[in-house]
Amino acid sequence: EPEVTQTPSHQVTQMGQEVILRCVPISNHLYFYWYRQILGQKVEFLVSFYNNEISEKSEIFDDQFSVERPDGSNFTLKIRSTKLEDSAMYFCASSVAEAFFGQGTRLTVV
Amino acid sequence: GENVEQHPSTLSVQEGDSAVIKCTYSDSASNYFPWYKQELGKGPQLIIDIRSNVGEKKDQRIAVTLNKTAKHFSLHITETQPEDSAVYFCAASKDKAAGNKLTFGGGTRVLVKP
Repeated sequence: EPEVTQTPSHQVTQMGQEVILRCVPISNHLYFYWYRQILGQKVEFLVSFYNNEISEKSEIFDDQFSVERPDGSNFTLKIRSTKLEDSAMYFCASSVAEAFFGQGTRLTVV
Repeated sequence: GENVEQHPSTLSVQEGDSAVIKCTYSDSASNYFPWYKQELGKGPQLIIDIRSNVGEKKDQRIAVTLNKTAKHFSLHITETQPEDSAVYFCAASKDKAAGNKLTFGGGTRVLVKP
């Protein structure tokens, strides 16, 4: 069964450093998303991406965040200068109708 | 924007009993309500969904009900088994069509005791 794949499963980074979280969506899917879940809180929408551009973003998705589909298979989330409060589980998802989620990347900012 | 509340946050049931998880939403424009199951170390997996033109949907031991007037929907798991132990999330969206963001509830940790 096709699945969304995320790497790495766990990333530890120093505050102020840039991180790139990677996702391989399901191959025939057209919409891609990033969500995050801070420990003990709800899963929150960050951004959706279609046809090589952002289709919607939340207020969380500020200038520190960017997304890219660099090569037609990967979908990446970049955080330019990480803060302690960026520590969370980040989920990638893709869809043609209902959304399918990856297993998540746990980002720890120290 | 949409707000989804989910109760209870934890639920412990004896194997074979039923489990019920309830969610409420705030935006009357929401028309699509999926439920996700998240097992340890995995991402949320869609287990069942319902659209607002339907009041109830069933798939084997799982059923969802929707009361659009009251803006609440529920997940019912009958004859629970240990493998049903997981975190369950409800969500709401304007439409099932791709591109619509999901607003999630806070999750319910279900423990099925053998």
